[in-house]
Amino acid sequence: AQSVAQPEDQVNVAEGNPLTVKCTYSVSGNPYLFWYVQYPNRGLQFLLKYITGDNLVKGSYGFEAEFNKSQTSFHLKKPSALVSDSALYFCAVRDQAGTALIFGKGTTLSVSS
Amino acid sequence: GAVVSQHPSRVICKSGTSVKIECRSLDFQATTMFWYRQFPKKSLMLMATSNEGSKATYEQGVEKDKFLINHASLTLSTLTVTSAHPEDSSFYICSARTSPYAGLFDNEQFFGPGTRLTVL
Repeated sequence: AQSVAQPEDQVNVAEGNPLTVKCTYSVSGNPYLFWYVQYPNRGLQFLLKYITGDNLVKGSYGFEAEFNKSQTSFHLKKPSALVSDSALYFCAVRDQAGTALIFGKGTTLSVSS
Repeated sequence: GAVVSQHPSRVICKSGTSVKIECRSLDFQATTMFWYRQFPKKSLMLMATSNEGSKATYEQGVEKDKFLINHASLTLSTLTVTSAHPEDSSFYICSARTSPYAGLFDNEQFFGPGTRLTVL
């Protein structure tokens, strides 16, 4: 069975500092990995995905993520955090093209000014 | 881009009543739709997967008789919470996909804005 772990419930960062939101996964085959962001009482917004190719994936709003197969990780990063980045971030995975996304429990990012 | 809408965005109902939530793909045909449930500050839990014209496949622990899912057309899926109780209060999010092997979009699953259900 596939699963996703986000070990941190909350990440606190000062504006302008780099941020990392951690994600590890477990799948039986090749992973399809995603990051989504959710603002209060809103749906999910897609940030980026890894399917194949370069391990470093660049996405929306300056975010990027690095796929590390040996560590089964897909951490989300941004070089310089903004207060407006404060939100709930979800990592998601699926192992086949036809299956639904399975989500991690989410990490709340709080960026202080 | 692909847009998914949900209606209503917010609903409050009395215990024992049934509530229907609609999920529509506005500019594409969704062969598969997913229904998720999100508890406060918690992850999204996949409830069921529905393919157009077929019965929905429910995840373990989800009561199919309580959460009725209909995917009668390629642009519409409905979730009906029957005989709702306060513990059914939650944020319900639908998601749509064009085909099982869609890779044409960056975002293979498109999410609706969610429906906040409160059962009194």
